[in-house]
Amino acid sequence: SQQGEEDPQALSIQEGENATMNCSYKTSINNLQWYRQNSGRGLVHLILIRSNEREKHSGRLRVTLDTSKKSSSLLITASRAADTASYFCATDQGAQKLVFGQGTRLTINP
Amino acid sequence: GAVVSQHPSRVICKSGTSVKIECRSLDFQATTMFWYRQFPKQSLMLMATSNEGSKATYEQGVEKDKFLINHASLTLSTLTVTSAHPEDSSFYICSARVGGNGYTFGSGTRLTVV
Repeated sequence: SQQGEEDPQALSIQEGENATMNCSYKTSINNLQWYRQNSGRGLVHLILIRSNEREKHSGRLRVTLDTSKKSSSLLITASRAADTASYFCATDQGAQKLVFGQGTRLTINP
Repeated sequence: GAVVSQHPSRVICKSGTSVKIECRSLDFQATTMFWYRQFPKQSLMLMATSNEGSKATYEQGVEKDKFLINHASLTLSTLTVTSAHPEDSSFYICSARVGGNGYTFGSGTRLTVV
């Protein structure tokens, strides 16, 4: 399969709680990126973590990468209703191609 | 930041007709653009990579005669869905690689074939 896997496929939490999404992939990577997609819209780049990095922060986002397990996680802290969206991980496997995971649909309940 | 403008955002066409989708890079030159297809509640599947001035590279299983890609300039790539059928109805998104390892995406085109 071209794609990796993300879990959970869907996540519903209360506003203010933290949301954690996981991503697994199958091959060696140069970097891993997380994107956000609001319904019916394009993708917005959130954060990029290189293969030699283990953790990265950006505002309320925290990304970890474990290349030995071929997995990554995205943590959104203090969630807001506006964070409701689908989140995708994508791996840069060289050859200038991004391979996307299946995505997690996140719903933040007010 | 680097922006890719994609048009149209929505299009409805009759079965058997062709539809052209455009992606323009604004304020930067994109020698390579990527075309993705996304079915409802699913992930993005790479269809093809377009290269300025040369033939596009299609992913396995994508019909090159059905999905015509043209990248005639450093700022414009087009995807033409030829002889569209209802099963071609989908969300199509383009992207371009920007400095370093970043990518920027168009806002997508919702194609409905009736």
